[in-house]
Amino acid sequence: NAGVTQTPKFQVLKTGQSMTLQCAQDMNHEYMSWYRQDPGMGLRLIHYSVGAGITDQGEVPNGYNVSRSTTEDFPLRLLSAAPSQTSVYFCASSYYGTGGNYGYTFGSGTRLTVV
Amino acid sequence: DQQVKQNSPSLSVQEGRISILNCDYTNSMFDYFLWYKKYPAEGPTFLISISSIKDKNEDGRFTVFLNKSAKHLSLHIVPSQPGDSAVYFCAAMERWNFGNEKLTFGTGTRLTIIP
Repeated sequence: NAGVTQTPKFQVLKTGQSMTLQCAQDMNHEYMSWYRQDPGMGLRLIHYSVGAGITDQGEVPNGYNVSRSTTEDFPLRLLSAAPSQTSVYFCASSYYGTGGNYGYTFGSGTRLTVV
Repeated sequence: DQQVKQNSPSLSVQEGRISILNCDYTNSMFDYFLWYKKYPAEGPTFLISISSIKDKNEDGRFTVFLNKSAKHLSLHIVPSQPGDSAVYFCAAMERWNFGNEKLTFGTGTRLTIIP
């Protein structure tokens, strides 16, 4: 039972490059989301999805795209990397409507550096 | 606009004593409050939550108290153990329409348990 798997764990990009951060969960969770963690800022919501085919923007969506073609996968795409996107990215999932009681399950994170 | 605030960046407590972590919020629409624990290089792990209709929830050594009139919650850990040393995030959930929800995190408090 892998839970939430994020790949890669580390990545260095040059400004202007694009890449996709992968997130997969094997718990059949409907709800998935992406957060970024920056020093002194806590975790901030980038995008979320309440089910396959449905996505919506969070607090800091600019520069990121998402899609949800299957229940299991929720990739995050950086269109044109900027140094301001240097951060640690976390993917999270939960059963629909249960996040308040049972919390979200988080992946171990992807540390991204944009130079 | 920081809707969830943890004003103490760090806290040191003697092993066996009580650890009290505090959190304040501003948004009256939050209906669940959660605490997460985070070790370095790992994703946050859900600890305990409380519904906005309750004022206390207890799970083993962990108790969360909610004071809605003061828009304040606290996490009590008794007795504190060395393994409790970690960063603790307070989070608040807001839900709207059907299925949309957002979890807003505080900036975290680094708890150090002194043996």
